[in-house]
Amino acid sequence: DAKTTQPTSMDCAEGRAANLPCNHSTISGNEYVYWYRQIHSQGPQYIIHGLKNNETNEMASLIITEDRKSSTLILPHATLRDTAVYYCIVRVEETSGSRLTFGEGTQLTVNP
Amino acid sequence: NAGVTQTPKFRILKIGQSMTLQCTQDMNHNYMYWYRQDPGMGLKLIYYSVGAGITDKGEVPNGYNVSRSTTEDFPLRLELAAPSQTSVYFCASTETTEAFFGQGTRLTVV
Repeated sequence: DAKTTQPTSMDCAEGRAANLPCNHSTISGNEYVYWYRQIHSQGPQYIIHGLKNNETNEMASLIITEDRKSSTLILPHATLRDTAVYYCIVRVEETSGSRLTFGEGTQLTVNP
Repeated sequence: NAGVTQTPKFRILKIGQSMTLQCTQDMNHNYMYWYRQDPGMGLKLIYYSVGAGITDKGEVPNGYNVSRSTTEDFPLRLELAAPSQTSVYFCASTETTEAFFGQGTRLTVV
């Protein structure tokens, strides 16, 4: 399985962009990068995913380096409600199906 | 659509007791997952299923069993509960991209 490495915690001022990094240096060519977040103790929520091109949706942008060994999730205008644990996941495809394995994530705190 | 529904939301078990955590989804997803999350930690994969009749172990399967007789349901069975199984349990389902999670079952073993 490709492993991911994320900082344990980050802080961001409300209204500013939050840039969350993730290293996945052992990623394989057909593995996607996914981002989820977990607010308080709720179930995780899907944010965005990508293979090698940059992606944007209504929640965030995902920037993947050309060598695919790292990525950055960008929340363009962070609000207090974006305070959560953010998980970067590499989706493992196996012959028996698709595992979805989480790491420890980054605790993002958005400050007023 | 209700999405992913887990029951119960809370449960206290005594050591040695057994119980089944229920998970059902109404999105006709083939892939379903069970996770546990200890305080301050990330999610650990217990078991997963790629379709009815097919299950496989995740990272921490010991002490648990699963079955998948229908596409909709993926129950998690705890036999002989131990204090180490005190945790929050999440069920999830997906088809290809976005995974949907239930609201969790908070289990305490005393």
